[in-house]
Amino acid sequence: GAVVSQHPSRVICKSGTSVKIECRSLDFQATTMFWYRQFPKQSLMLMATSNEGSKATYEQGVEKDKFLINHASLTLSTLTVTSAHPEDSSFYICSASVGRWGSDYTFGSGTRLTVV
Amino acid sequence: RKEVEQDPGPFNVPEGATVAFNCTYSNSASQSFFWYRQDCRKEPKLLMSVYSSGNEDGRFTAQLNRASQYISLLIRDSKLSDSATYLCVVNERGRDDKIIFGKGTRLHILP
Repeated sequence: GAVVSQHPSRVICKSGTSVKIECRSLDFQATTMFWYRQFPKQSLMLMATSNEGSKATYEQGVEKDKFLINHASLTLSTLTVTSAHPEDSSFYICSASVGRWGSDYTFGSGTRLTVV
Repeated sequence: RKEVEQDPGPFNVPEGATVAFNCTYSNSASQSFFWYRQDCRKEPKLLMSVYSSGNEDGRFTAQLNRASQYISLLIRDSKLSDSATYLCVVNERGRDDKIIFGKGTRLHILP
């Protein structure tokens, strides 16, 4: 089946630095990639939707200048957390749309970001 | 009203028992509905889709009630390995094709 490879799985960074998270679709072309954030004991919250070759669409309350999304190819989407702060510590997961229906979304394995 | 609401639990259920979760959604135009399972610190994995006619997959039964805007998941003969968080997911089609997750219901199966 469709696989999304997400890296890194875990990262610890200093406050003020930037962190890049990559999601690659391994055996299919992901025209749309969704980026989620999950705080402890909370649900997955959609941050933004990225479409290959165009600007990402951010959800309300998500700072586009802080969470930079690049979807330059059909197999790679990246999320860069710029000037990270401890409150950005979270579990970030990408999801690619394989088909038209929700059951065709496949998830990356997630990145646990800890900002110290 | 939140888009997708679930009882967060935790549900502590003895092994072998039957347990049921409900989930309500606010957007009457929602098109597709799913239950995902998420283990601690892992990505969510699709458990099953939910159809209007109801569907069953082994010990799991999912049902949709469009009139009342809720979906349900029933787990029979629960196993220790069923311990996880179960996420109700709604696909809002139309102008924005995005999937909305509930906060999840935590299930602990007790030996």
